[in-house]
Amino acid sequence: AQRVTQPEKLLSVFKGAPVELKCNYSYSGSPELFWYVQYSRQRLQLLLRHISRESIKGFTADLNKGETSFHLKKPFAQEEDSAMYYCALSGGPFSGGYNKLIFGAGTRLAVHP
Amino acid sequence: DSGVTQTPKHLITATGQRVTLRCSPRSGDLSVYWYQQSLDQGLQFLIQYYNGEERAKGNILERFSAQQFPDLHSELNLSSLELGDSALYFCASSVGATSGNTNTGELFFGEGSRLTVL
Repeated sequence: AQRVTQPEKLLSVFKGAPVELKCNYSYSGSPELFWYVQYSRQRLQLLLRHISRESIKGFTADLNKGETSFHLKKPFAQEEDSAMYYCALSGGPFSGGYNKLIFGAGTRLAVHP
Repeated sequence: DSGVTQTPKHLITATGQRVTLRCSPRSGDLSVYWYQQSLDQGLQFLIQYYNGEERAKGNILERFSAQQFPDLHSELNLSSLELGDSALYFCASSVGATSGNTNTGELFFGEGSRLTVL
């Protein structure tokens, strides 16, 4: 079964501290993984996707197929990073399309001054 | 604003009633997705439409139905409402059936419709 697990509901850090938001997945094929973010009073929006291997707002995420993980990391947290973060999975273009994004329950990141 | 728009933003109704949630996708997007977010739950995929046709189905209850109209807006109908149907219902859109621009997997979300069933 397809599943995304985000074990932490809340992650609380101080400004300047490293951040790691955990995401584990269960999928029988080769999934595409994404991180979506929702800032206060804003819409859910894409933060980054593993196929792009990009760094957005200082965040990176590496897909580890052996550990079935896609943890989101940032070396130095900023107060403006405070938001709700969702890890999401899809089957990719060779499994009928990206049609379904399967989301985790989300982790709230609180960065304190 | 040419983003995804959802109406109503808030809705309070009683058990047993029926409601309709409406979604207008981004200009140019052909796919519409519906998600349900209950308290402390992630977003649960309900259903997807592409250019008027059902494309994918998730764990959508039989009491729920959806459709996409020729102008590409979509409606999610929830009937025989129960207390447990109280949730935030999100609509998202993308260009193609493979969600996202240039197959990047990006969905564009609306602000959601908060349904409270009393």
